[in-house]
Amino acid sequence: DIQMTQSPSSLSASVGDRVSITCRASQSISFYLNWYQQKPGKAPNLLIYAASSLQSGVPSRFSGSGSGTDFTLTISSLQPEDFATYYCQQSYSTPPWTFGQGTKVEIK
Amino acid sequence: EVQLLESGGGLAQPGGSLRLSCAASGFTFSSYAMSWVRQAPGKGLEWVSAISGSTGYTNYADSVKGRFTISRDNSKDTLYLQMNSLRAEDTAFYYCAKAASGWSTYDIWGQGTMVTVSS
Repeated sequence: DIQMTQSPSSLSASVGDRVSITCRASQSISFYLNWYQQKPGKAPNLLIYAASSLQSGVPSRFSGSGSGTDFTLTISSLQPEDFATYYCQQSYSTPPWTFGQGTKVEIK
Repeated sequence: EVQLLESGGGLAQPGGSLRLSCAASGFTFSSYAMSWVRQAPGKGLEWVSAISGSTGYTNYADSVKGRFTISRDNSKDTLYLQMNSLRAEDTAFYYCAKAASGWSTYDIWGQGTMVTVSS
């Protein structure tokens, strides 16, 4: 199985900060990488698919980059509604389609 | 409006069974693969099972293979998860999720249903 490792596990940031979260795959997954946002008590929400494509309706302050094994989710200017947990997920080839362990973004 | 609505969660004893349902609306259900993803309390996301749109081809995580069965009724726009031989470690919120394309990029999620396995 492909293992996905996110870093950091948590971070504290202020409104307006630029925030980056990284995700590393245990083997090359090309660009088959998705990012989800989850707020407490809610279902996950797709932000970025295919490593860098912005899902419809998602603000442009969210962006994704990377290919192969190393990927990054960047929030260009953190907003109050962005405080949440973020998960990467590989969608490469055959199952299981594994998720990272999550990164919790908290208010500083 | 595109929507998924799960039901069927609750309390089950170890070794028991539950059947989850996920009612879909607002899209052509038979055209999309569907999955179940679970989340233990305070933990991360775990993909559980997937089924193709029309052929009924299925996939399972090793942790549930042989115990869980995913199915769908395209005439009722409904996805199911039959869970047998339940274990304490199956305790989680269970989400149904629609694949945007292919199998495994999920653009629509239900609100989740809680399954608790305890004696």
